[in-house]
Amino acid sequence: GQQLNQSPQSMFIQEGEDVSMNCTSSSIFNTWLWYKQDPGEGPVLLIALYKAGELTSNGRLTAQFGITRKDSFLNISASIPSDVGIYFCPQDMRFGAGTRLTVKP
Amino acid sequence: GAVVSQHPSWVICKSGTSVKIECRSLDFQATTMFWYRQFPKQSLMLMATSNEGSKATYEQGVEKDKFLINHASLTLSTLTVTSAHPEDSSFYICSARDPREGNTEAFFGQGTRLTVV
Repeated sequence: GQQLNQSPQSMFIQEGEDVSMNCTSSSIFNTWLWYKQDPGEGPVLLIALYKAGELTSNGRLTAQFGITRKDSFLNISASIPSDVGIYFCPQDMRFGAGTRLTVKP
Repeated sequence: GAVVSQHPSWVICKSGTSVKIECRSLDFQATTMFWYRQFPKQSLMLMATSNEGSKATYEQGVEKDKFLINHASLTLSTLTVTSAHPEDSSFYICSARDPREGNTEAFFGQGTRLTVV
């Protein structure tokens, strides 16, 4: 089966800093979906990518669909405390380990 | 985005009893729903795929007789944890894909925290 790697596993940053995280796989995909999970909640869809090379923004979030179709990047600019949570990029309804983000005020 | 709702949000039950969790798609019909389990500090683990009108498909290592899934309508799937034990205590989450989005974007319920005492 496909293996989904998320990096980094965790991040501790200061409020106002920019954040970058990525998902990589040995398999090729037609979509990349980025989700955020707040503590005690279900994941919420942030950004959906459908085309290799696509760059899409949602407020302070920007995500890119890698040209090889095997990876995707998510950037958060000017982080704020409510960005705290776990970020996922599931494929075929299966989740990787996620990137756990902590933002210090 | 589409709305998926779970009920209850949390439940405490005695060891040996059964607990039913409901998952509803509120504004779309879902022929397929997905059930996950998440332990503290861990990721979501897919347990089973619920298919409307037919048997669920379970992931390897998930006991189908322990976790009964019923998907009797296009808007409702239920997960019943039978003869629950403390090790079944976990956060259970359901999901469904919205056919209006080409069945690519999945939407998740708010989760159900099960505590077995």
